[in-house]
Parts: sequence; C-alpha cells; structure tokens
Amino acid sequence: QKEVEQDPGPLSVPEGAIVSLNCTYSNSAFQYFMWYRQYSRKGPELLMYTYSSGNKEDGRFTAQVDKSSKYISLFIRDSQPSDSATYLCAMSADNTDKLIFGTGTRLQVFP
Amino acid sequence: EPEVTQTPSHQVTQMGQEVILRCVPISNHLYFYWYRQILGQKVEFLVSFYNNEISEKSEIFDDQFSVERPDGSNFTLKIRSTKLEDSAMYFCASSPEVNQPQHFGDGTRLSIL
Repeated sequence: QKEVEQDPGPLSVPEGAIVSLNCTYSNSAFQYFMWYRQYSRKGPELLMYTYSSGNKEDGRFTAQVDKSSKYISLFIRDSQPSDSATYLCAMSADNTDKLIFGTGTRLQVFP
Repeated sequence: EPEVTQTPSHQVTQMGQEVILRCVPISNHLYFYWYRQILGQKVEFLVSFYNNEISEKSEIFDDQFSVERPDGSNFTLKIRSTKLEDSAMYFCASSPEVNQPQHFGDGTRLSIL
C-alpha cells in the first residue's frame, strides 16, 4: 500500500463548479497536512496547512482532515479557469521535516 | 511576499560531471530542504538542513550528494558525479521552524546527457 494515494485525474469541470480533491494515506503518524498548487514549470505553491483533524477555510478553499479515516480533502468553490493546475497533497509526522507527497491531481476548469 | 529563489532555472550537464544547484531561502527561515521530481512522478524528499547540519536525509541522498550553506543567504545542493537518472526538477524549500509550512522555489531543471 502506498503511503499517500491521490487520484491523478485529469479532472475537468466548468467554471463556477465546486471541485473536490482527495488523498488517502496509510501512516497514522501523520499530523500535518498541506495542499499545494503547482502550475506548469513552477514550484509547488502552498494553499492550505492544517494540523490534525478538522476543517480550515481560506476564501474559496476549504481543507478537511479526517484522521480516523486517513482521508483529506480540498474543496474549491466557484472554480475559475485560473485554478487550472496540478494539486498536490503533502503530509508529515511530528519531529520530522520530511514531506510525503501524493502524485498530484491535474485540474482543468473550462470557461 | 518573500520567496525562495533558485538558480539556474535549467542546467544541462554531461554524465559524470559535477553540478551545483543554488537556492536563496526566505531570509528569516531556519530550515532548508531539497526535493526532486522526476518527470511524471511525485515530489520526493532528499534532505533537510538546520543549524549547518543535515537533520534528515532520504535513501536517495547518497554519497554523491552534498549540501552546504556557504554564507548567510545561499543554500546549495552538489551532485558529485552525475548519472542519467539524476535528470529531474530539483526544488529548494524553506520553513521558519520544523513542522511549519514549507515554501518552495520554482526549481532547477537538471538534464544529464
């Protein structure tokens, strides 16, 4: 079983749609959960950072962590063509710097 | 907004040559990292660095790799004798503390011929 699993997509949605992106993981030691956005030929850009379980909202983005199910989600409301990118989940455990990434989900929002 | 900068954006090197990739982390950050992403694959951790020492490294980071903070602003990754399989995007990242968000640069694309 892979440590972090993420559906690679591509996911294609119309402008204005609600997008749901997900990752599952196997390591119960993970406590820190991040979502990054990566445009073509660019580095990962931090979108959301959460610790342990719960929800966090920032503008059109909501991150959810369910540690009991080892499942994290990123919701994008009112999606825009500029949201078209690859979305990477990443996570780490206490007392380690190492981020474990998912493979990324490619999202395309069409006008 | 402060950002991590990496140079060069693209490096082409002959197999067996040494290469140095350079990074300027965000100025008040204390933890520095290198990751790599082989084309079509996931981003993989290479090494973390704090207080002028390696704090953690992956199995990928073998004796061919080394890191250094030669002055107060730069952070470098050296590959001593490059192999074809070292071709990848190399990302530098920094964070203010451990378990705090890591901010990434735009990477150096390393092509080994």
